[in-house]
Amino acid sequence: QVQLVESGGGVVQPGRSLRLSCAAPGFTFSSNGFHWVRQAPGKGLEWVAAISYDGSNKWYADSVKGRFTISRDNSKNTLYLQMNTLRPEDTAVYYCAIPYGGKLDEYFQHWGQGTLVTVSS
Amino acid sequence: EYVLTQSPGTLSLSPGERATLSCRVSQRISSRYLGWYQQKPGQAPRLLIYGASSRATGIPDRFSGSGSGTDFTLTISRLEPEDFAVYYCQQYGSSYTFGQGTKLEIK
Repeated sequence: QVQLVESGGGVVQPGRSLRLSCAAPGFTFSSNGFHWVRQAPGKGLEWVAAISYDGSNKWYADSVKGRFTISRDNSKNTLYLQMNTLRPEDTAVYYCAIPYGGKLDEYFQHWGQGTLVTVSS
Repeated sequence: EYVLTQSPGTLSLSPGERATLSCRVSQRISSRYLGWYQQKPGQAPRLLIYGASSRATGIPDRFSGSGSGTDFTLTISRLEPEDFAVYYCQQYGSSYTFGQGTKLEIK
């Protein structure tokens, strides 16, 4: 079974930065694309960003474009989400997810347990 | 941009009853790119259906998906206590968009 473990969440002031990580131990990490999805408290799911298997292509939701950066380190089997200029509306549980076959035009097959980011002064 | 509208917002039913959840897409999509997820409180979403009608691994056959074009349906034939949760539809053919969710609650 694929295991995804997010970390790095916490409480941060508006305007500050935070970096989330998603580890995939024992998984063929480097051949898979990845997504970040978030869920504000009591709200629905919102896709945030995606990255290709080699990191050469990245896509972002308009709500985070220019502020968030998705990246990966295939040598460490780890996915990242660098979040800058955070706003209160970025408060959410952030999930990493793997699409079927690692392909970015497929459904989200595996999900991590999520990490909570709270943006508040 | 695709907008997915789910109805109803909340569905109140009893165990053993049949549940029918709707997902309407703002533009026609290939059914290959329509999925359904279940989410229980405090848990990550879980894939139920992909390609509009294919059940994911381990999903009971009381769950079924159907539809095409702009109108898609998730049906749970006989509700079990563990089925009461929030359900989301998603399109993954042009960027990625989720519906706002349908909460299935015990009546």
